[in-house]
Amino acid sequence: ILNVEQSPQSLHVQEGDSTNFTCSFPSSNFYALHWYRWETAKSPEALFVMTLNGDEKKKGRISATLNTKEGYSYLYIKGSQPEDSATYLCASPLGGGYQKVTFGIGTKLQVIP
Amino acid sequence: DSGVTQTPKHLITATGQRVTLRCSPRSGDLSVYWYQQSLDQGLQFLIQYYNGEERAKGNILERFSAQQFPDLHSELNLSSLELGDSALYFCASSDSGTNTGELFFGEGSRLTVL
Repeated sequence: ILNVEQSPQSLHVQEGDSTNFTCSFPSSNFYALHWYRWETAKSPEALFVMTLNGDEKKKGRISATLNTKEGYSYLYIKGSQPEDSATYLCASPLGGGYQKVTFGIGTKLQVIP
Repeated sequence: DSGVTQTPKHLITATGQRVTLRCSPRSGDLSVYWYQQSLDQGLQFLIQYYNGEERAKGNILERFSAQQFPDLHSELNLSSLELGDSALYFCASSDSGTNTGELFFGEGSRLTVL
């Protein structure tokens, strides 16, 4: 992988369901992996920044894991609520810490009440 | 409120014109990033400055230029505007020069080129 990729691009879940999505990034020269939440008509806001292989971070019902050796991170949302509806972005500085922080296309999550 | 201020919020101009977008980072943040979001596109990295110096450059067009001033505010200059330059331009700041700190985004400047 040469870029930051996310899947799926969109997702519809029922309220109460748990869900997860994937961010893939180049495993060589890894420096950091960022997750952001972007609500409509607002600006992206950081959820997590992870730097160590095996990192797991949690904020309320949202958690993330990181595998730098294989180049992927998962974002999990437990018991989705309508207010979780947003686009979830991941980003990584490609080529090392001083390189461009490149965003994936995002996963657009819609939680149906 | 992220603490990052962008002006103007909206701008409508004609093809061939030049505009300047301004960004004031959060107090104490030394890194400023510029991103472009066009219709149905993700955030495209344009350029990053750290304490007044260019740190990283993306696929920024030659018609675009940026700088970061001693007071750490940054300006993105877009010239010879084309219809395809219509987009939402985000500025973000960080206290980290090595991209391990979270980015704090401004509300964006929406540019419409007619």
